Amino acid sequence: GAVVSQHPSRVICKSGTSVKIECRSLDFQATTMFWYRQFPKQSLMLMATSNEGSKATYEQGVEKDKFLINHASLTLSTLTVTSAHPEDSSFYICSALGLAEQETQYFGPGTRLLVL
Amino acid sequence: AQSVTQLDSQVPVFEEAPVELRCNYSSSVSVYLFWYVQYPNQGLQLLLKYLSGSTLVKGINGFEAEFNKSQTSFHLRKPSVHISDTAEYFCAVSDPNDYKLSFGAGTTVTVRA
Repeated sequence: GAVVSQHPSRVICKSGTSVKIECRSLDFQATTMFWYRQFPKQSLMLMATSNEGSKATYEQGVEKDKFLINHASLTLSTLTVTSAHPEDSSFYICSALGLAEQETQYFGPGTRLLVL
Repeated sequence: AQSVTQLDSQVPVFEEAPVELRCNYSSSVSVYLFWYVQYPNQGLQLLLKYLSGSTLVKGINGFEAEFNKSQTSFHLRKPSVHISDTAEYFCAVSDPNDYKLSFGAGTTVTVRA
């Protein structure tokens, strides 16, 4: 149980385009999902908290207009990187809190974004 | 606010030897404690967690950790490592009020034959 998937696993795009990343909880319902960014050889940095049916809460320094988050159902949250630039290249990881196990975050496999 | 310090950035260890990864935290409130493992180019997998109760917690793959409130520590141990334990290990704490995780910088464990 507690499986989280992400799609795509890897994406390459041109500078100026937008990229959407999906995060799904496969075998449980998630009221809350989180989006992280990880640079090489570094720890995870929380970008935002995504709550089903409401607006996302962004961490300080994260541009909400650049990183659009939508949590339309109890099993799906999406992160859209708008007008991507090379400095947005990174490893993006989502996690989900279960309804039954609310204190534990289960992580997706991550999405490698490369902006050319 | 919470913070997490992982005292060792890299830990080389021989196969079948024991390993201990150190983690200390600071917080003004009671916290939940977690250890996650990350294999190359993958997400994080939960190894174990401490919420309350017994201070010795057993997790997957033979790992265990001990919560020490007086020393604000949550060190991870395994009595005998395998080559497959080579990975990045993250200690994390969360505030029970919002479940946001604060991560340590990570410890790279390299197991050699």
